[in-house]
Amino acid sequence: AQKVTQAQTEISVVEKEDVTLDCVYETRDTTYYLFWYKQPPSGELVFLIRRNSFDEQNEISGRYSWNFQKSTSSFNFTITASQVVDSAVYFCAAHTGANSKLTFGKGITLSVRP
Amino acid sequence: GAGVSQSPSNKVTEKGKDVELRCDPISGHTALYWYRQSLGQGLEFLIYFQGNSAPDKSGLPSDRFSAERTGGSVSTLTIQRTQQEDSAVYLCASSLVGLAGGEYNEQFFGPGTRLTVL
Repeated sequence: AQKVTQAQTEISVVEKEDVTLDCVYETRDTTYYLFWYKQPPSGELVFLIRRNSFDEQNEISGRYSWNFQKSTSSFNFTITASQVVDSAVYFCAAHTGANSKLTFGKGITLSVRP
Repeated sequence: GAGVSQSPSNKVTEKGKDVELRCDPISGHTALYWYRQSLGQGLEFLIYFQGNSAPDKSGLPSDRFSAERTGGSVSTLTIQRTQQEDSAVYLCASSLVGLAGGEYNEQFFGPGTRLTVL
């Protein structure tokens, strides 16, 4: 079984600040997949990114970047120059080939103040 | 194309009543998942359907919960004799290929059904 830990529960920043959301995962499988989802106040979970365990490159998409570190079992998410619209709950999740479900962390509530 | 849709969006019921929640996955997606999101438990997996394979029911919390998927498309989650602890948002997701297809594909979620048991 896998486990996903999001130690931060709530983060509040002022607009234009950079913010990093932490995610630590545990799994015994050598092949696994890591995800970030955003849940805005409307409630619908929005897929942001998937990372495979065998792809160690980091990724940048606009103001979003993800840092995958196998050595520390972390998959952190950074928002650069945060905006009010980034306010949401962010979930990190994991999936392995051993089962069919996504295991989610508890989520981090990000508030971006104008 | 259309995303995952769920109905109803809100459901209020009395303790002891049965409820049915519906999910329409994205067309062509062979895998369908049900999750539950509640304040105390976060996001929990309930059940998974993939093609014609037997569903993975390992996340269903009790035998009052059941789900079916007809014709490989629409799914219904049924909760019998509802209890107050069943109050939560029930989320459905679908993906293009589940385990059988090799590389895992991301799950796309519906807007959820908010269930309130009085």
